[in-house]
Amino acid sequence: DAKTTQPNSMESNEEEPVHLPCNHSTISGTDYIHWYRQLPSQGPEYVIHGLTSNVNNRMASLAIAEDRKSSTLILHRATLRDAAVYYCILRYTQGGSEKLVFGKGTKLTVNP
Amino acid sequence: NAGVTQTPKFQVLKTGQSMTLQCAQDMNHEYMSWYRQDPGMGLRLIHYSVGAGITDQGEVPNGYNVSRSTTEDFPLRLLSAAPSQTSVYFCASRRGQGALEQYFGPGTRLTVT
Repeated sequence: DAKTTQPNSMESNEEEPVHLPCNHSTISGTDYIHWYRQLPSQGPEYVIHGLTSNVNNRMASLAIAEDRKSSTLILHRATLRDAAVYYCILRYTQGGSEKLVFGKGTKLTVNP
Repeated sequence: NAGVTQTPKFQVLKTGQSMTLQCAQDMNHEYMSWYRQDPGMGLRLIHYSVGAGITDQGEVPNGYNVSRSTTEDFPLRLLSAAPSQTSVYFCASRRGQGALEQYFGPGTRLTVT
């Protein structure tokens, strides 16, 4: 199984940038890197994805290492609403089917 | 669009009972899947479907059945509930197997006593 490693928890202050790291040393050339977040008592929500190049969208930026063995999700200005569990996921193909495997994620606390 | 909807939101079962968790989406997505989430853990894939009439097993399929008779609906059946199936269940959908953004429902919290 494709696996990712993330810190269990991180803390940030409101309006400061947050860098959430993820290691995925077993990534293969065709695996996409996805990030989802889960707010309390809700289902996961898509944040961003990438393959090789850095990516930006309205929610966040994704920085991918040149060897693709690690990536960082960047929230440019954390708000209280960004407090959630953030999952770094590899999307890979196994047996002809594509799968997303969720790890335990990083719980982000945002202090006012 | 309502997105992905799940019913019920909460359910308590006795060991050995059966029930069906309902999932529906109104986005005409081909790919649908079921996950379970246990305390302090990530999501684990139970079953998935790449289109109407086609289903396959995920990481933890034992004790669960699925069918996909329409594009919109993807029910999950618990055949004989066990306490180990106490969990929060999430249904998800995406446009196709290769689509990159997945949409999740609000979840069903199931307790088996």
